[in-house]
Amino acid sequence: ETGVTQSPTHLIKTRGQQVTLRCSSQSGHNTVSWYQQALGQGPQFIFQYYREEENGRGNFPPRFSGLQFPNYSSELNVNALELDDSALYLCASSSERQGGGYEQYFGPGTRLTVT
Amino acid sequence: GEDVEQSLFLSVREGDSSVINCTYTDSSSTYLYWYKQEPGAGLQLLTYIFSNMDMKQDQRLTVLLNKKDKHLSLRIADTQTGDSAIYFCAERSGGSYIPTFGRGTSLIVHP
Repeated sequence: ETGVTQSPTHLIKTRGQQVTLRCSSQSGHNTVSWYQQALGQGPQFIFQYYREEENGRGNFPPRFSGLQFPNYSSELNVNALELDDSALYLCASSSERQGGGYEQYFGPGTRLTVT
Repeated sequence: GEDVEQSLFLSVREGDSSVINCTYTDSSSTYLYWYKQEPGAGLQLLTYIFSNMDMKQDQRLTVLLNKKDKHLSLRIADTQTGDSAIYFCAERSGGSYIPTFGRGTSLIVHP
């Protein structure tokens, strides 16, 4: 069974640029959630995709957008990068077939630095 | 809105028990989770407990839930240096799929 993978591992961008982060979900999982984890903080929910549709969104502006593909992999796109976007971006996959516990499995994250 | 609070640091001696505490405010919380994050890594789900349970044990881990006081704890027996990490408490209400995380407790295990 393949776990959740994310790419790239690290990324440095300049303020105002755009970035795309990628996530491959765990085998058998059809739901992907994205989180932003600032230094010293817990993860903050950005949005979730279920069977290629956005299924909920946290308190993030529209310049944070995403996609989910038929193989359930996902992308997070951030436009007009700001310095405060510097963070670890985590992807987590899950399957509703795991019952009400809703166990999410996290990838290792992408460390984004905006200068 | 929902809030999850944890103390930021805990230091223990190798072989002792560690107890990490968490409080939450959402009375409709249905699922409560403990995650572990090692340096440079993502979050690893350790265990979770349903709100209708008081206790859950899994090998060296014991989770205690006091629903009345909205208090959750994670006890790690025979703490090892490999347990050094940041531990996150998270809660989710039954009507939501979005967990709310605390800021994490940094556990330091020294010889």
